[in-house]
Amino acid sequence: DAGITQSPRHKVTETGTPVTLRCHQTENHRYMYWYRQDPGHGLRLIHYSYGVKDTDKGEVSDGYSVSRSKTEDFLLTLESATSSQTSVYFCAISESTGSGELFFGEGSRLTVL
Amino acid sequence: KQEVTQIPAALSVPEGENLVLNCSFTDSAIYNLQWFRQDPGKGLTSLLLIQSSQREQTSGRLNASLDKSSGRSTLYIAASQPGDSATYLCAVNSGYALNFGKGTSLLVTP
Repeated sequence: DAGITQSPRHKVTETGTPVTLRCHQTENHRYMYWYRQDPGHGLRLIHYSYGVKDTDKGEVSDGYSVSRSKTEDFLLTLESATSSQTSVYFCAISESTGSGELFFGEGSRLTVL
Repeated sequence: KQEVTQIPAALSVPEGENLVLNCSFTDSAIYNLQWFRQDPGKGLTSLLLIQSSQREQTSGRLNASLDKSSGRSTLYIAASQPGDSATYLCAVNSGYALNFGKGTSLLVTP
């Protein structure tokens, strides 16, 4: 299994509070991704990173920000959580874009009340 | 925008049957296609990766094919087992990230 750790695995928070999810990898892969998974929508890309301090937006980036200060860590921040951000969040890594295989973490389940 | 569709959405088969899961995509300009398995409450496990230049990939009882020109891929599972019960996801790489189908939920009954 690819060495990907997400934390926290479960979190319940209230509307308006900030939340940060962490993804840590031990594979030294260049590319890292944050997806969210919702019933009826499948998996959708939020943000991705192609190197330290290099990030870009995905399909559903509104309300989210990311940071990558080290190769191994990719943080997803909800500045002011809303109920629509209740979801399961998955981190993924890849050695290369285009031809590379993606490996996923176990997910972080976030509930915003 | 790349659209990925998986049919059927759900499938129930008796143990031992061979089965085929289907995936179609709208833009044939892809780098690769990846099949995943997801168990309830778990992350995604990569099953097979097919590069755009390949026609198929095999791993054990699994065989995935790719017809880029027609925008189709199939996942063939031979001699299905109850342990194969899971959701199977198809994902297409058209650039910097994967576009996912909504999955086929498979139940293999003893």
